[in-house]
Amino acid sequence: NAGVTQTPKFQVLKTGQSMTLQCAQDMNHEYMSWYRQDPGMGLRLIHYSVGAGITDQGEVPNGYNVSRSTTEDFPLRLLSAAPSQTSVYFCASSREQTDTQYFGPGTRLTVL
Amino acid sequence: ILNVEQSPQSLHVQEGDSTNFTCSFPSSNFYALHWYRWETAKSPEALFVMTLNGDEKKKGRISATLNTKEGYSYLYIKGSQPEDSATYLCAFIPNDYKLSFGAGTTVTVRA
Repeated sequence: NAGVTQTPKFQVLKTGQSMTLQCAQDMNHEYMSWYRQDPGMGLRLIHYSVGAGITDQGEVPNGYNVSRSTTEDFPLRLLSAAPSQTSVYFCASSREQTDTQYFGPGTRLTVL
Repeated sequence: ILNVEQSPQSLHVQEGDSTNFTCSFPSSNFYALHWYRWETAKSPEALFVMTLNGDEKKKGRISATLNTKEGYSYLYIKGSQPEDSATYLCAFIPNDYKLSFGAGTTVTVRA
C-alpha cells in the first residue's frame, strides 16, 4: 500500500496562475479531505468528500475547487493563485468521516 | 467554525520529566475527539480516538483522558524522551461530523 500520495511536493506559482494539486489513496477510503497548514493556525479544512461524486466545503473553501470522480482521487484546483494561498497543503483520507485520518506527505506551495 | 483550543502553544521539558497539555472544545454536540502526533518534516499520525466521557487511552508512555461534560481532554507524556518531540494536535468532531483541528501543542524534549 502506498497510502495517501500527493504531487507535487513543491510548487512555485505566480499570482493569477492556476494549478491542480493531486491526491490519491489506495486504501479504498470513502472520506477524503484537503487541509492547509499555516503557522500558528493548525490545519484548516478546505474541502472534503464523503464518497465519489460528493463534495462539500470546509472552513476555508474560497479560491479552491475539488471534484471526486473516483474513490481513489481527490484533486484540489487553485483557480487563480493569490499570495494568501501560500501554504502547506495536506490531503487526508479515512474509511469514514469520523475515523482517524491518514495524511499525505504534503505539498508546499508558494505564490509570488 | 468551532472553537478548539490547545494550550500551551509550546512547551519545553527535560528528558525524563513528565508533562501534560490540554485540548478544549465545545461541550455540546460532542461525537468524538482524535489526538494526532506530528513530527517535523512528516505528516500527522493518529494517536487516539476518544468517544466516551471518562475515556482514558494509553499508548506506551502517552495517555489521554476525556471530559465531554466540561469540554476538555488532557494528553500526558510520562518520562519524556527526545523522540517525543513533536506537535500534538487534537481534532474535535461534533454531531454533524465536521471536524475541526486545534492549532497544536509543540513539545520539545531537552536531553
